[in-house]
Amino acid sequence: DAGITQSPRHKVTETGTPVTLRCHQTENHRYMYWYRQDPGHGLRLIHYSYGVKDTDKGEVSDGYSVSRSKTEDFLLTLESATSSQTSVYFCAISDNLAGVGEQYFGPGTRLTVT
Amino acid sequence: DAKTTQPTSMDCAEGRAANLPCNHSTISGNEYVYWYRQIHSQGPQYIIHGLKNNETNEMASLIITEDRKSSTLILPHATLRDTAVYYCIVRVPRGSNYKLTFGKGTLLTVNP
Repeated sequence: DAGITQSPRHKVTETGTPVTLRCHQTENHRYMYWYRQDPGHGLRLIHYSYGVKDTDKGEVSDGYSVSRSKTEDFLLTLESATSSQTSVYFCAISDNLAGVGEQYFGPGTRLTVT
Repeated sequence: DAKTTQPTSMDCAEGRAANLPCNHSTISGNEYVYWYRQIHSQGPQYIIHGLKNNETNEMASLIITEDRKSSTLILPHATLRDTAVYYCIVRVPRGSNYKLTFGKGTLLTVNP
């Protein structure tokens, strides 16, 4: 299995508080992604990164920001959490050789905003 | 990316081959077929992909029809741990749109 860890694995937070989720990889892959998964919506891309300090928005980026200061870490920040951001968040990675269609996913972070 | 159609659910007996179909009649010449699965409460897992030739790896085999309008994922000896939702995705390997579009997939239940 690809070396991808996510932290924390579970978090409960209150509306209005900032939250940062971390994705860490040991594969030295160039591309990293943040998805959220909700019932009835499947997996939706929030943000992705195509290199250190290079990031771009996905289809549901409002309310989220990301940072990638080194190859192995990709951070997802909810500046002011809302109940609509209660979800399971997955990080994924891919490399140049495989192409972006071959992505490897982390175990997920279950976030509850009360 | 081309649209895919999969059955909602399938059952398979443990130890038997599981054959999961996928229709992708609008696939274009440079699009690959990818298969992923998601076991309950886990992250999606990449299984296999192919362009036009049949492919096999340690997890599964992928059979793509000659006209490329459909494909079948084969798990040769299904186990209870193969119970999962299986997703067929068609897309170009590279491109400016990096997201994977997961449809509803097929829930495969492997029965003892």
